[in-house]
Amino acid sequence: GAGVSQSPSNKVTEKGKDVELRCDPISGHTALYWYRQRLGQGLEFLIYFQGNSAPDKSGLPSDRFSAERTGESVSTLTIQRTQQEDSAVYLCASSLREWAETQYFGPGTRLLVL
Amino acid sequence: SQQGEEDPQALSIQEGENATMNCSYKTSINNLQWYRQNSGRGLVHLILIRSNEREKHSGRLRVTLDTSKKSSSLLITASRAADTPSYFCATGRMDSSYKLIFGSGTRLLVRP
Repeated sequence: GAGVSQSPSNKVTEKGKDVELRCDPISGHTALYWYRQRLGQGLEFLIYFQGNSAPDKSGLPSDRFSAERTGESVSTLTIQRTQQEDSAVYLCASSLREWAETQYFGPGTRLLVL
Repeated sequence: SQQGEEDPQALSIQEGENATMNCSYKTSINNLQWYRQNSGRGLVHLILIRSNEREKHSGRLRVTLDTSKKSSSLLITASRAADTPSYFCATGRMDSSYKLIFGSGTRLLVRP
């Protein structure tokens, strides 16, 4: 079946603007994760959704970052008043259940803040 | 903060040789996973080893786990040019979020 999809693939924005990144998980997957990857580094956890609720938001770096999930499917990560240090690849992953060990990753959104 | 550290950070080998990457972590885990990342984008799950396992094989991949040393190794046998991307280890814990904690990765270059 279809994998995790993310849009847009690339986003260039000006400092101070807001951006919205979208993730469509694999159908039926109840757990959804957002990660961030800065250039040359590993992935940093941002937020975890189980269904539509977010039991763990501990990775969100500041209050400029927020995320929501509706209908136990699509999730949107919003970054307000973007800063240059927000430039990174934002990756979404889903898993069948919250205890499922394997996470399936989307292709990511590459964000560049000028 | 990142849990794991991979070494080496970069590895260059000849096609056909074996490639070994190591990963160390800091806290107790339920499982350790290895992912491959092509061109800095999506990750592909390669193999998972649970904390009560010591060794696992999948095709040309062999993973070991030493929980007493909090370390794991990934061996890719008979490397090919297509093996070139980056490799990351990630640890999983059955805590409140089941999130993965990733290391900083090993960039592999397989020379033809």
